[in-house]
Amino acid sequence: EPEVTQTPSHQVTQMGQEVILRCVPISNHLYFYWYRQILGQKVEFLVSFYNNEISEKSEIFDDQFSVERPDGSNFTLKIRSTKLEDSAMYFCASRGTDISNQPQHFGDGTRLSIL
Amino acid sequence: AQKITQTQPGMFVQEKEAVTLDCTYDTSDPSYGLFWYKQPSSGEMIFLIYQGSYDQQNATEGRYSLNFQKARKSANLVISASQLGDSAMYFCAMREYSGGSNYKLTFGKGTLLTVNP
Repeated sequence: EPEVTQTPSHQVTQMGQEVILRCVPISNHLYFYWYRQILGQKVEFLVSFYNNEISEKSEIFDDQFSVERPDGSNFTLKIRSTKLEDSAMYFCASRGTDISNQPQHFGDGTRLSIL
Repeated sequence: AQKITQTQPGMFVQEKEAVTLDCTYDTSDPSYGLFWYKQPSSGEMIFLIYQGSYDQQNATEGRYSLNFQKARKSANLVISASQLGDSAMYFCAMREYSGGSNYKLTFGKGTLLTVNP
């Protein structure tokens, strides 16, 4: 069964450094998402991406964050200057169709640790 | 704004028994959808089951079923014949449309289910 793939599984970065989290959504999917989950807390929406542009972003997704779909298969989340509070599990998700009951399929997540 | 409430931080169940995980929601959107996801200790998020607000019947997927009570705004997940592998965090999530046919998910805080042998 096709799946969403995220790399790396764990990223350790010094505060202030840039980090890029990578995702390969399911082939032919049209909608792409990033969520994050701070340890012990609920999953929070960051951004959605459709038709090569951001369709919605949350308050968390400030100027330090950006997303890109550089080559038609990868979907990346960049954090320009990481802060301690960016430490979290980051999930990429994709969805295939316009049908409302189609779920978002999640990757296994990237655990980001900021030192 | 939409809201999802999962009031059970943790639940215990004996293997082979059934368990119900509670989820209540609040929304002004008449066309909403509810999803349940499972998150094992390894961290991945696995889609389990979906219930749409206009669906006439409660959703079922294998051992998973939804006890959907629209008037009470609840969509409780029922797991029958629990297995040790069911031990995980379970999240209820609501679809919130962003515009057009795109949507984002609003998650509850989750319920940690432990299945005892």
